Amino acid sequence: GNSVTQMEGPVTLSEEAFLTINCTYTATGYPSLFWYVQYPGEGLQLLLKATKADDKGSNKGFEATYRKETTSFHLEKGSVQVSDSAVYFCALSGWGHSGGSNYKLTFGKGTLLTVNP
Amino acid sequence: GAVVSQHPSRVICKSGTSVKIECRSLDFQATTMFWYRQFPKQSLMLMATSNEGSKATYEQGVEKDKFLINHASLTLSTLTVTSAHPEDSSFYICSARDLRTDGYEQYFGPGTRLTVT
Repeated sequence: GNSVTQMEGPVTLSEEAFLTINCTYTATGYPSLFWYVQYPGEGLQLLLKATKADDKGSNKGFEATYRKETTSFHLEKGSVQVSDSAVYFCALSGWGHSGGSNYKLTFGKGTLLTVNP
Repeated sequence: GAVVSQHPSRVICKSGTSVKIECRSLDFQATTMFWYRQFPKQSLMLMATSNEGSKATYEQGVEKDKFLINHASLTLSTLTVTSAHPEDSSFYICSARDLRTDGYEQYFGPGTRLTVT
């Protein structure tokens, strides 16, 4: 079945540091890949997505590239801010039996990021 | 943006009683809603897919008679935990797909903390 493995945290960085959170996946077919972010006390929000190989998703300074050859979708940001402190989830959208996305999401365990001033 | 609400945000109930959790899409219509369960420091696990006007589709290992799902309208899905036991204590999260988009993005509610004593 589908699975997502992401770097375990917690990750603690100083402001303006470079961030990488690793994510690899196992899936059949052609999954779409996502990063979701959960700020304290809030629901999950879509941060970025990529729907096919070599696509790069980007938003708010975060980037991730869909690498089919390495089955990876690592999240990066060049200079983190205190406001980026949150839990980050890597996820994939599965492939239905009859073809096409079934829109079901499989999540990684989440990585807690804390950015200190 | 698309907003999903959940009610209640926290609930404490006694073992053997039933608890209903509501999930509402506030400013969009959703034919499909998803119910997840999240254990401490673990990922979100999909419990079931709720389709408006039809029976929910449960994931393997989820007891459909224990977790009753009703999706009576395009903006409301409910999850009822019947005859709750302490092991049902968890964080329950719903999400909804927006009909107007390509469907890949799911909008998440803030979650409901259930404690069974």
